[in-house]
Amino acid sequence: AQTVTQSQPEMSVQEAETVTLSCTYDTSESDYYLFWYKQPPSRQMILVIRQEAYKQQNATENRFSVNFQKAAKSFSLKISDSQLGDAAMYFCAYRTNDYKLSFGAGTTVTVRA
Amino acid sequence: GAGVSQSPRYKVTKRGQDVALRCDPISGHVSLYWYRQALGQGPEFLTYFNYEAQQDKSGLPNDRFSAERPEGSISTLTIQRTEQRDSAMYRCASSGTDTEAFFGQGTRLTVV
Repeated sequence: AQTVTQSQPEMSVQEAETVTLSCTYDTSESDYYLFWYKQPPSRQMILVIRQEAYKQQNATENRFSVNFQKAAKSFSLKISDSQLGDAAMYFCAYRTNDYKLSFGAGTTVTVRA
Repeated sequence: GAGVSQSPRYKVTKRGQDVALRCDPISGHVSLYWYRQALGQGPEFLTYFNYEAQQDKSGLPNDRFSAERPEGSISTLTIQRTEQRDSAMYRCASSGTDTEAFFGQGTRLTVV
């Protein structure tokens, strides 16, 4: 069974600073996808970034980037130049080739003005 | 439709009643997922479909919960003889073969 672990229940960051959220996963697959989703107070689920396991290059989307370490089964999210609108719960997710999608427990990010 | 649509958005039901939650995925999406999410928690996997085939239902808590997707499009999650512990946000998502999952707004179920 695949499991996704987010070891940080809460993180706090000063506006304009950088914060890194950790995620590890357990799998025996070689091909899979990894995602970070953002859930603001509205409780929508918004995709932040995705990474294909076969790609060595780390994905980047504007101020969001990942550090994907396949051998270590680690997939951390870095938020640079944090903004007040980044405050939310962030979920790491893993998807197999047969499309089953599993989530971690989430990390709540607070941004201090 | 443009996105994943779930109905109803809110449902209040009396304990012991059956409820049916509907999900209309993005047109053409192969996979459809059902999750349950408690406040402050991550989405808990319930079940998923590829086309009309239910691939994995290991997350369904007990036999009061069932789901179907008979024509490979719209799906219904049914909870029979509801209990207070069933109260939660129920989320549906869909994905294509090479895309991320897109989520609906969810159905907030309250069992009184």
